[in-house]
Amino acid sequence: GENVEQHPSTLSVQEGDSAVIKCTYSDSASNYFPWYKQELGKRPQLIIDIRSNVGEKKDQRIAVTLNKTAKHFSLHITETQPEDSAVYFCAASVVTGGGNKLTFGTGTQLKVEL
Amino acid sequence: NAGVTQTPKFRVLKTGQSMTLLCAQDMNHEYMYWYRQDPGMGLRLIHYSVGEGTTAKGEVPDGYNVSRLKKQNFLLGLESAAPSQTSVYFCASRQTGTGYKGEQFFGPGTRLTVL
Repeated sequence: GENVEQHPSTLSVQEGDSAVIKCTYSDSASNYFPWYKQELGKRPQLIIDIRSNVGEKKDQRIAVTLNKTAKHFSLHITETQPEDSAVYFCAASVVTGGGNKLTFGTGTQLKVEL
Repeated sequence: NAGVTQTPKFRVLKTGQSMTLLCAQDMNHEYMYWYRQDPGMGLRLIHYSVGEGTTAKGEVPDGYNVSRLKKQNFLLGLESAAPSQTSVYFCASRQTGTGYKGEQFFGPGTRLTVL
């Protein structure tokens, strides 16, 4: 089955700096890669996702890049703000039958310091 | 729309007791999922369903059973709870069909403690 590894497990940045979180996956059939943000005590919420036919996607201060050959994808947050502090999860799945089962990484605790 | 809701929000069980967690969604989604979240381990899929009357095992199904008698509801059962099942349980749902991306919508979670 799919295996997703995520690094780093914790990340501390100064407000205004950029943050990068990296994930690798093992199943070359995976074609959908979402990123979820989870604030303390809350549910995971999708912040951005990318399909395997696209190399990069951007939404305001967040962007995701995908390298299918190397089987890795990354989340980039620019101009970080205190409200970006949360746990971020990457995931991978095959969006064609099979129930679209998401395999999650183990999460990155991002702390944005003032 | 309420989205995805879960009942109860919190529960404490003694070892060997049984309980059922209820997930409900009002978005007419076909697919529904149960995950457990443990510190440092992300979310792991327990069971899932691709439609009313169907269920399938996920990554960590042992000790759990599920049922999907109605499209909008997905029940997770623990027949004989064990301390290892102490966790936060999340339900999620997803629409299918052309034009829908793979986004899963999560419920607020159920915090279960087994003593």
